[in-house]
Amino acid sequence: DVKVTQSSRYLVKRTGEKVFLECVQDMDHENMFWYRQDPGLGLRLIYFSYDVKMKEKGDIPEGYSVSREKKERFSLILESASTNQTSMYLCASTEITSGRSVEQYFGPGTRLTVT
Amino acid sequence: QQQVKQSPQSLIVQKGGISIINCAYENTAFDYFPWYQQFPGKGPALLIAIRPDVSEKKEGRFTISFNKSAKQFSLHIMDSQPGDSATYFCAARVGNQGGKLIFGQGTELSVKP
Repeated sequence: DVKVTQSSRYLVKRTGEKVFLECVQDMDHENMFWYRQDPGLGLRLIYFSYDVKMKEKGDIPEGYSVSREKKERFSLILESASTNQTSMYLCASTEITSGRSVEQYFGPGTRLTVT
Repeated sequence: QQQVKQSPQSLIVQKGGISIINCAYENTAFDYFPWYQQFPGKGPALLIAIRPDVSEKKEGRFTISFNKSAKQFSLHIMDSQPGDSATYFCAARVGNQGGKLIFGQGTELSVKP
């Protein structure tokens, strides 16, 4: 079974703090993704990575950065947290077969509250 | 053009009824259309998916209907059960972009006993 784990289920931070969200997958998947989930907006892609040290901006990268130093680990960084970054954050991974990915496997999510 | 529009936002169905969720898209470069199911406190999980060269796919009580000319696809849940109560997301894969998915806004389904 594929397992995607996220470091925290709930997190409360203050405005201006630097926040690290960690994601680890155990299936040697090439591609990893960070989304935020907000009611009525669905899942929106923040960043994705298709290899170690490689990253691509998603649809809403402003205010976020990422790091992928090892294949199994993908970190999302909020350089200076703001209240509009209060959200559910979901990490996902997918393998590439014959040049294509099929299923994205999601972690349980981190509910971040910025006060 | 990258959007996927999903409706309704919420749906209440009686046990045994049919639940129908609709999605529409514009980008003809989308090459794969999955549906994800999310229970409270969990991440989304793949439920069923379809490729655009197929008009219908059925897995148990779940069916995707796909209309390529109208750029629409829908999820039908037959004989809906209380255990189907969850949030459902349609999505579309952007071809040749590393598995990147564009998600719809989500539908919160509640099946009443």
